[in-house]
Amino acid sequence: NAGVTQTPKFRILKIGQSMTLQCAQDMNHNYMYWYRQDPGMGLKLIYYSVGAGITDKGEVPNGYNVSRSTTEDFPLRLELAAPSQTSVYFCASSPPRTVMHQPQHFGDGTRLSIL
Amino acid sequence: KNEVEQSPQNLTAQEGEFITINCSYSVGISALHWLQQHPGGGIVSLFMLSSGKKKHGRLIATINIQEKHSSLHITASHPRDSAVYICAVRPSNAGGTSYGKLTFGQGTILTVHP
Repeated sequence: NAGVTQTPKFRILKIGQSMTLQCAQDMNHNYMYWYRQDPGMGLKLIYYSVGAGITDKGEVPNGYNVSRSTTEDFPLRLELAAPSQTSVYFCASSPPRTVMHQPQHFGDGTRLSIL
Repeated sequence: KNEVEQSPQNLTAQEGEFITINCSYSVGISALHWLQQHPGGGIVSLFMLSSGKKKHGRLIATINIQEKHSSLHITASHPRDSAVYICAVRPSNAGGTSYGKLTFGQGTILTVHP
């Protein structure tokens, strides 16, 4: 039972490069989220999705894009990497809307450095 | 001012001590979560509360909805409890849905020495 799987675990990018952070869950969860975690700060929501084909912006969406073509996968794309995007990125998922008050399940994170 | 504030930000304890981490929030909520993040990064959910008190092993979480305050207690602390403890709230959203979105505190770094 894999839960939420994020790849890669670590990555170093040069300014201006692009990359996609992968996230997959095998729990049939409708809701999926991308967060970033900066030192001394709480997790901030970048984008979220309530189901395949439906995505919406969170608190800090600038510089990122997402897609949700399947229930399982929710990739996060950085188009033009900037040093301000150096962070640890977490993907999470939670059960369908009809299941009240369920916790979010987190991946192990992707540590990204932009140099 | 953040909507979710945790105290203390850093906490050092000796093995066996009783530990309390506090969380105050300023918005109406439908649930509050306590999460644990170990060195190496993974985040796991410890508790989800909407009222009262929950206990799991040596961990106890309480919430006072009227005072907008929650506490996480660790009894007989152990070095393996060393981690970052994160409080997160699910804001209530009258007339709509929050889609399970959470607002996070900044975390409390706990170090337990043998």
